[in-house]
Amino acid sequence: SYDLTQPPSVSVSPGQTATITCSGDKLGNKYVCWYQQKPGQSPVLIIFQDNKRPSGIPERFSGSNSGNTATLTISGTQAVDEADYYCQAWDSSTWVFGGGTKLTVL
Amino acid sequence: QVQLVQSGAEVKKPGASVKVSCKFSGYTLIELSMHWVRQAPGKGLEWMVGFDPEDDDTIYAQKFRGRVTITEDTSTYTSYMELSSLRSEDTAMYFCAMRGNYKGAGFDSWGQGTLVTVSS
Repeated sequence: SYDLTQPPSVSVSPGQTATITCSGDKLGNKYVCWYQQKPGQSPVLIIFQDNKRPSGIPERFSGSNSGNTATLTISGTQAVDEADYYCQAWDSSTWVFGGGTKLTVL
Repeated sequence: QVQLVQSGAEVKKPGASVKVSCKFSGYTLIELSMHWVRQAPGKGLEWMVGFDPEDDDTIYAQKFRGRVTITEDTSTYTSYMELSSLRSEDTAMYFCAMRGNYKGAGFDSWGQGTLVTVSS
């Protein structure tokens, strides 16, 4: 089975840039999506096709994907961005989620 | 905008089955496909089953194959996910989600979740 690996936690100060990675074998050859989930809420799609933002998602969220690593970048992180973040990719006719990263805004 | 509304919480005994519904509106079947994702308490997201428009077929995560079934009632715009042979490890929040039928599309609409508790 295909595995996507994320760091369990990332901390960032308000206004700074947060970077969350997602690693998988030849991940750059696949499309990656990213989701934000706050406690008690359903996930929200924030990045699709590696680097595109759905309507309504702030510009401070951006994505990239190359080699074996996809990256979610949050520029000018705000307290409201504190949440769990999950990457997702398609492999061998199945959808795979990363284990999730808890972003703490200190 | 797609709206997904799921059925209410369920409590089941080990060995039983559970059927969760997801009523959808605001889109046409041709444009989107339905998937089911679960999340155990304090854990991450786990994709279970969904529809692959390229193969026009249902696709399964290996661990759920043979135990999960999805159906749709197009007359009521409702999708159903049934999980059988329940065990305590199946206690989780179950979400329905929809994605566009194009490469790289994400799950951009989600239901509110249905909590399934498996306990004797």
